[in-house]
Amino acid sequence: AQSVTQLDSQVPVFEEAPVELRCNYSSSVSVYLFWYVQYPNQGLQLLLKYLSGSTLVKGINGFEAEFNKSQTSFHLRKPSVHISDTAEYFCAVSARNGFNKFYFGSGTKLNVKP
Amino acid sequence: EAQVTQNPRYLITVTGKKLTVTCSQNMNHEYMSWYRQDPGLGLRQIYYSMNVEVTDKGDVPEGYKVSRKEKRNFPLILESPSPNQTSLYFCASSRMVRETQYFGPGTRLLVL
Repeated sequence: AQSVTQLDSQVPVFEEAPVELRCNYSSSVSVYLFWYVQYPNQGLQLLLKYLSGSTLVKGINGFEAEFNKSQTSFHLRKPSVHISDTAEYFCAVSARNGFNKFYFGSGTKLNVKP
Repeated sequence: EAQVTQNPRYLITVTGKKLTVTCSQNMNHEYMSWYRQDPGLGLRQIYYSMNVEVTDKGDVPEGYKVSRKEKRNFPLILESPSPNQTSLYFCASSRMVRETQYFGPGTRLLVL
C-alpha cells in the first residue's frame, strides 16, 4: 500500500510571497503523483500531476512541483501567491503497477493574507 | 458540459435507514471512485470501479456498497448507516487511473 504525509496542516502567507507546500509519500513500487486543490465549498480540481519524464512539473495557476525519488517527496511551489490561492491543497498517490487505489494526504490549508 | 453530478447534495437521516447517493458522469469515463472527506484526515477512498461490473474496495469500504451496471452511473449505498458515517462524500471519474479525476460537488451526510 501507499501513504501520503502532508507535513503542514495550515500555511499562512502574505500576498505576493513565495510558498512551498510539502508532501512526502511512502511506497514500495513506483507511483503517479498528483496535487489537487479544493476551494471553499467546492469539489477538488487537478493542479498538476507527475506520471514520468521531467521531475519538474508545471501546473495551472502558476504552480509547479518537483518529484524527488530519493527523498520520496513531491513538494508544491508558487513564486508569488494571490489572495485567490486561498484554498486547501491535497497531495495524492497511486501505484503504477495496476493496483488502482488512490491515497490522499490530510491536506494543507493555504491562507493568503493581504 | 462535462460534469460529475451527485444527488442529493445534503442529507440528514437516522441510524439504520438505508440510503443511496447517486453519481453520474457524462464523459464516458471508465474509472469511477467514491471518497469520504473528514477534517484532518483528507480524502479516503471507499470504493472504485474500473469499468462496468468491475468494482473493488478502497481504503475504507466497511459499511458501504456500490454497483456499476452502466458506465455513467456509480451509486453509493449505505444499507444501515451509523453516526460514524457522517461525512462529506465525493464521487469522481477519470478516463484511466493516471488521468485527471473530475470530482462531483459533494454530498454532505448527517446520520443521527
